[in-house]
Amino acid sequence: GQNIDQPTEMTATEGAIVQINCTYQTSGFNGLFWYQQHAGEAPTFLSYNVLDGLEEKGRFSSFLSRSKGYSYLLLKELQMKDSASYLCAVRDSGNTPLVFGKGTRLSVIA
Amino acid sequence: DVKVTQSSRYLVKRTGEKVFLECVQDMDHENMFWYRQDPGLGLRLIYFSYDVKMKEKGDIPEGYSVSREKKERFSLILESASTNQTSMYLCASSLSVGSSGLYEQYFGPGTRLTVT
Repeated sequence: GQNIDQPTEMTATEGAIVQINCTYQTSGFNGLFWYQQHAGEAPTFLSYNVLDGLEEKGRFSSFLSRSKGYSYLLLKELQMKDSASYLCAVRDSGNTPLVFGKGTRLSVIA
Repeated sequence: DVKVTQSSRYLVKRTGEKVFLECVQDMDHENMFWYRQDPGLGLRLIYFSYDVKMKEKGDIPEGYSVSREKKERFSLILESASTNQTSMYLCASSLSVGSSGLYEQYFGPGTRLTVT
């Protein structure tokens, strides 16, 4: 089976740094994706990791450890507009559809 | 810019009705997907398609069917709508693995379906 776990909710302060963790157990691995989803809107792509290590993209970074089945999304200099759900997704092989975790709802407070 | 559009943002149907949800993408993507999203359950895959006239069952295909007659269009059909099919339905598309580089899934805006 496939299992992707991430915390249900997190709260952080404007201007701070927050780390959202994701652990996965899948039959194979062909990439891990992070999406952002604001309430009532479609998910939008944030980042992609297929090799171990850190990928940085502005205020957002994503880390992957394939041996540990672990990833995190790091958000720096938090802004109120970062309040959203963050979805971790894994492609387990080839051209297969993404399998999504249940999402982490992040609330940024002043 | 990739654009995935869905026929309706909000839809209200009665139990037993046949419901059609349409999805169109304009980037010549080979792959198309239908998910439903429910609180506490996340995104769950209903059906997907790698090519015209091809379809594959996802994790929760019961009560649904799909049609892909043209590359850009993927339809989800609820043969006889039931109240437990009240949900947010999200369509997505992507390039196939044969294409170089990153191939994330692009999502449409979603259709919030209520079955009464």
